[in-house]
This record gives sequence, structure tokens and C-alpha cells, in this order.
Amino acid sequence: GQSLEQPSEVTAVEGAIVQINCTYQTSGFYGLSWYQQHDGGAPTFLSYNALDGLEETGRFSSFLSRSDSYGYLLLQELQMKDSASYFCAVRPNDYKLSFGAGTTVTVRA
Amino acid sequence: DADVTQTPRNRITKTGKRIMLECSQTKGHDRMYWYRQDPGLGLRLIYYSFDVKDINKGEISDGYSVSRQAQAKFSLSLESAIPNQTALYFCATSVGSGGSAGELFFGEGSRLTVL
Repeated sequence: GQSLEQPSEVTAVEGAIVQINCTYQTSGFYGLSWYQQHDGGAPTFLSYNALDGLEETGRFSSFLSRSDSYGYLLLQELQMKDSASYFCAVRPNDYKLSFGAGTTVTVRA
Repeated sequence: DADVTQTPRNRITKTGKRIMLECSQTKGHDRMYWYRQDPGLGLRLIYYSFDVKDINKGEISDGYSVSRQAQAKFSLSLESAIPNQTALYFCATSVGSGGSAGELFFGEGSRLTVL
């Protein structure tokens, strides 16, 4: 099976930088994804890392170290609209994603 | 219109009733999934399907069944609902294998309450 660990909550002020760490244990590994969810709405895809290194998409970046079974999502220049839950998800094989419990990010003015 | 549409969006039912949640998609994706979300537990996979003739159990399939009526339609049934099936249910689609398989497209969710 798979297990993922990520912090349950993070609070930061507008304009700050937040890093959400995700460590995982899995029998197989194809890649690590990140999703954002606002207030129980549809989760939306943010990024996918299949190889080690940093992927940058605008204010958000995602990093993966396969040897450490570790990844993180970096949120820069935080805005109020970034208040949401963020999920890491490991792809252990070609046919599914297994999700972490999620990190609630609260952005304060 | 949403690419992945779930109906109903909200449903309250009683223990023992049969419930069907429906999902339709206009993205043309072959792969469809049903996930369940509970507070503090993230999303857990119930069933998935790669085409009309392919149905597979996920992590928590007990008490659920599915039907893939067409490439665009994937329904989830609770034959005899029980209170611990109270949750938020999401349908999702994906393109297929390769890097794009890390990206799921979710519907808006169906909130089910079993009394």
C-alpha cells in the first residue's frame, strides 16, 4: 500500500512563502502530484513531478527527491485566494493516485 | 458547462435505501474514477474504469458498486446505504498513461448524508 504524510495546517501572511512537505512510502513510484481544493469544491491539479528536481509554474513550484521519498509544494507571494487545502498524491502504478490527508493553508492579511 | 458533471450535488437519505450517484464527462477521457472524501482522510479510491468493459476495485469498494454505461458515463451505487457512508463523493477522469496520468479532472462533488 501507500502512505503519505503532510502537515495538517499552515498559517502565513499575505506576500509570504509557504512550503508544504510531503513524505511518502509506496511499493511502486511513477510520480507525485499536487492538488488544491477550496472549501470542499472540486480538487484542481497543480503539478506533477516524475523526475527529481524543481518544477515551476507561476507562483507555485513543486520539488521531488525520489531517493528521499520526499516532495514539497512551494507557494510564493501568498495571496488571500491561496487559502485552501493542498493534497499531495503519489502515483504508485499506471492506474491510480493515492492522496495524503491534506494541508489547510490559511492566509492572513 | 462543467467538463465533469455529477448528479445529485446533495442528497439526504435513510439507512437501507439504495442510492445512485451519476457522473458524465465531455472531456473524451477513457479513464474514470470514483473517490470518497472524509474530513482528515483525504481522498480514497472506491472504483476505477479504463473503458466500458473494464471495472476495477479501489481501496474501499465494500458496500459500493459501479456501472460504466458508456465512455462518458460512470455511476456509483450504494445498494443499502449506511451512516458511515456519509461523505463527499468525487468523480474524476484522466487521459491515460504517461505523465498526464498524474492529472485528474474532478467533478464538483456529491455530498451524501445517510441518516
